[in-house]
Amino acid sequence: GQSLEQPSEVTAVEGAIVQINCTYQTSGFYGLSWYQQHDGGAPTFLSYNALDGLEETGRFSSFLSRSDSYGYLLLQELQMKDSASYFCAVNRGSTLGRLYFGRGTQLTVWP
Amino acid sequence: EAQVTQNPRYLITVTGKKLTVTCSQNMNHEYMSWYRQDPGLGLRQIYYSMNVEVTDKGDVPEGYKVSRKEKRNFPLILESPSPNQTSLYFCASRTGGEYYGYTFGSGTRLTVV
Repeated sequence: GQSLEQPSEVTAVEGAIVQINCTYQTSGFYGLSWYQQHDGGAPTFLSYNALDGLEETGRFSSFLSRSDSYGYLLLQELQMKDSASYFCAVNRGSTLGRLYFGRGTQLTVWP
Repeated sequence: EAQVTQNPRYLITVTGKKLTVTCSQNMNHEYMSWYRQDPGLGLRQIYYSMNVEVTDKGDVPEGYKVSRKEKRNFPLILESPSPNQTSLYFCASRTGGEYYGYTFGSGTRLTVV
């Protein structure tokens, strides 16, 4: 089987840095993706890691360690609009269509 | 505007009455997929398609059917809906490039009574 573990909730204040961890257990691991979803909205793609290391996209960075089956999403200079749910998702197998999501982390940013 | 369009946005139906949720994308994407989202369970993949006439099961395919006769369309069919299929459904599409993610539609909230 497969499993993805991420914290259910995280809180932080504006301007702070927060890290959302994700550990996975799956066969046929291909890469780790991150998605953001605001209440009532559609998920939006944030980042993808196929190789070990850090990928940076503006205020957001994502990290992967394949040997530890672990990744994280790092959000810097937090803003109120970053309050949302964040999902890690595993690309499995050789087909990019196959995507397995974690249960999500609810991030609340306080003023 | 590049987008995934799914209809309807809201649907209330009765047990056993066949229904179809439509999905269309205008980005010429190869991959399309359906997800359902339930509180506390995240997004679970129902079916996905790698191209026209090529589909495969996701994690929760029971009770659903799909077809991909044209590249832009990927309808979700519930032949005999049951109350446990009450959920928020998302259609999504993506290109074949590895470092691109899925683009999601706005969602269809389905209630089966």
